[in-house]
Amino acid sequence: GAVVSQHPSRVICKSGTSVKIECRSLDFQATTMFWYRQFPKQSLMLMATSNEGSKATYEQGVEKDKFLINHASLTLSTLTVTSAHPEDSSFYICSALSLNTEAFFGQGTRLTVV
Amino acid sequence: GESVGLHLPTLSVQEGDNSIINCAYSNSASDYFIWYKQESGKGPQFIIDIRSNMDKRQGQRVTVLLNKTVKHLSLQIAATQPGDSAVYFCAENNQGGKLIFGQGTELSVKP
Repeated sequence: GAVVSQHPSRVICKSGTSVKIECRSLDFQATTMFWYRQFPKQSLMLMATSNEGSKATYEQGVEKDKFLINHASLTLSTLTVTSAHPEDSSFYICSALSLNTEAFFGQGTRLTVV
Repeated sequence: GESVGLHLPTLSVQEGDNSIINCAYSNSASDYFIWYKQESGKGPQFIIDIRSNMDKRQGQRVTVLLNKTVKHLSLQIAATQPGDSAVYFCAENNQGGKLIFGQGTELSVKP
């Protein structure tokens, strides 16, 4: 199947700093990517839809100024958590949509804010 | 709002037994469902999918059943193995590829 790579897999940052997470589709082009957040023992919650060349669409309750999404190319979307706080600590997962609308997931990024 | 949920949060089975994981959905207009397996610290892994024009679909050791009348999905795993231990999610594929995930069931396989 298609491969989606997320980087980094783990990151620890200090409270107040910003962290960037990358999501790359390695062997296909993805005009649409999705960002999810998952807290321990909970399900994946959709944060936003990232569209190549246009602004991201955020789900209700997700602060767009805090979670900056950039989808500048057909193979890369980035999520930047700005001014991170301990409550932002979570598992962040991206998925990329192939041409036949099948979603392929990255391996996730564990963010810990101290 | 619309939601996809699961009946059982945990399931413990003996190695070699069959496992059944259930999922209820609330959006009667949903026409495509997917089961994912998630191991600790990893992203979801596609297992099997089914469209609403089908009642049953089989894969290797897995079967998904769809009952549209009661809006219920199930995942059956035959001859469950220790490597099947993980959290299983059903997901409803919304418009444009958006996925709405259920709560998840943690499957534990005892040797």
